[in-house]
Amino acid sequence: DAKTTQPNSMESNEEEPVHLPCNHSTISGTDYIHWYRQLPSQGPEYVIHGLTSNVNNRMASLAIAEDRKSSTLILHRATLRDAAVYYCILIRDDYKLSFGAGTTVTVRA
Amino acid sequence: DTEVTQTPKHLVMGMTNKKSLKCEQHMGHRAMYWYKQKAKKPPELMFVYSYEKLSINESVPSRFSPECPNSSLLNLHLHALQPEDSALYLCASSQDPSWPSYGYTFGSGTRLTVV
Repeated sequence: DAKTTQPNSMESNEEEPVHLPCNHSTISGTDYIHWYRQLPSQGPEYVIHGLTSNVNNRMASLAIAEDRKSSTLILHRATLRDAAVYYCILIRDDYKLSFGAGTTVTVRA
Repeated sequence: DTEVTQTPKHLVMGMTNKKSLKCEQHMGHRAMYWYKQKAKKPPELMFVYSYEKLSINESVPSRFSPECPNSSLLNLHLHALQPEDSALYLCASSQDPSWPSYGYTFGSGTRLTVV
C-alpha cells in the first residue's frame, strides 16, 4: 500500500485558515489523493479528492504539489465543527481505502 | 438519498450469541465495505464487495461472515465473538470499485460490545 505521513495534531483558532500537510513520496501515477475526516462518535466523512490539479469544493481546497509527492488540505475558515481527525489516503485501482493515523485538529474558540 | 444506513446503532451480545449487522444504501453504489474501528485508532478494512461479490477479505477471522444479498444491502453475521471484537463497525459504499475518482460514503456505525 502507498503510505502517507501526516502530523499527529494541529491547533487552530476559530475563523482562521488551517493547512493540513500530507506527504506521499511513494505515490504512483494513477493513485488518487483522498481526504476524509471523522468527527467524534461519527463515521468518516468525505472531504475532497484529487489526482493532479488543485481542487476546491464547499468544504475545503486541496493543493497538490507538482511532483505529487505531497498535498495540503486547506480549511479556509475553521469553525468549532471542524474539530476532527483528518485522514489523507491514497487510493489505487484495487479500491482499498486504507486509513493511516491521521491528524487530530483542535479548534480554539 | 445520499446516506449509508447502519442498524442497529448499538449492540451488546454474549460470546455464544449469533447476531447480524445491517447496512443499506440507495445511491446505486456498486462497491460496499466493512471496517472495524477500535477506540482512538483509525478504521481497519475488513471486507470489500464489488458488484455483490466478495473481492477482498483482509484475513478476517471466520467468526465474522459477510453477505451481500443485493446491490443495496450488506450484512455482517457475527458468531462466537470474543470481548476483543468489541469495536465500532463501519459500513461504506462507493460508486464503482474500479473508479477511485469517486468519494466513499460511510455510515455512522454500529457500536458492538461483546460480553
